[in-house]
Amino acid sequence: EVQLVESGGGLVQTGGSLRLSCAASDFTFSNYAMHWVRQGPTKGLEYVSTVSANGGATNYASSVKGRFTISRDNSKDMLYLQMGSLRPEDTALYYCVKAHTRGTYLYDAFDLWGQGTMVTVSS
Amino acid sequence: DIVMTQSPLSLPVNPGEPASISCRSSQSLLHSNGNNYLDWYLQKPGQSPQLLINLGSTRAPGVPDRFSGSGSGTDFTLKISRVEAEDVGVYYCMEALQTYTFGQGTKLEIK
Repeated sequence: EVQLVESGGGLVQTGGSLRLSCAASDFTFSNYAMHWVRQGPTKGLEYVSTVSANGGATNYASSVKGRFTISRDNSKDMLYLQMGSLRPEDTALYYCVKAHTRGTYLYDAFDLWGQGTMVTVSS
Repeated sequence: DIVMTQSPLSLPVNPGEPASISCRSSQSLLHSNGNNYLDWYLQKPGQSPQLLINLGSTRAPGVPDRFSGSGSGTDFTLKISRVEAEDVGVYYCMEALQTYTFGQGTKLEIK
């Protein structure tokens, strides 16, 4: 079954760090850009970051730029999000998301979503 | 940054009746290649979002043909020809031209 499974969420204090992981299965992971999207409590969806299929290009929302780092390991079919200098407003369910179109880095839809991993930042 | 505005924010609909959701962008989503970079997603209760429509009007695989997307530039519409109980949830539009900004969401419920 084609799926994405996130892990690594938890409770962390303001200023702390956390590393999220996403395991992909049953598709050629190395062919697709990957994204992180978050959803705050009772809030809508917010884009976080993108990494290209080969990992050579990255993009970040202005709200996380300089604090978060996206990366991937295509040999392990894994996506990561290193989160630092965490703030209470980073509290959210973090989704790992697959790009819709093979080889496309930008201008693309979000095709497959994981179930999410919850990050809670206490003040 | 592009601002995405959806209306209505709440949409009660009788089963079998049509439904329509509007999405307006503060900047044109029409690329020079002719594509409109506007997608629609549905988040059913307790589930992750799922792609319904991309490029303004292309249904994703497996999406019923009662769902249709239209529009160009800054004004887009998602239409459901006959609402079914399984269509309940929050619908989001999203621009894919700049920074992947989502609309606020429209909650569709069955009357």
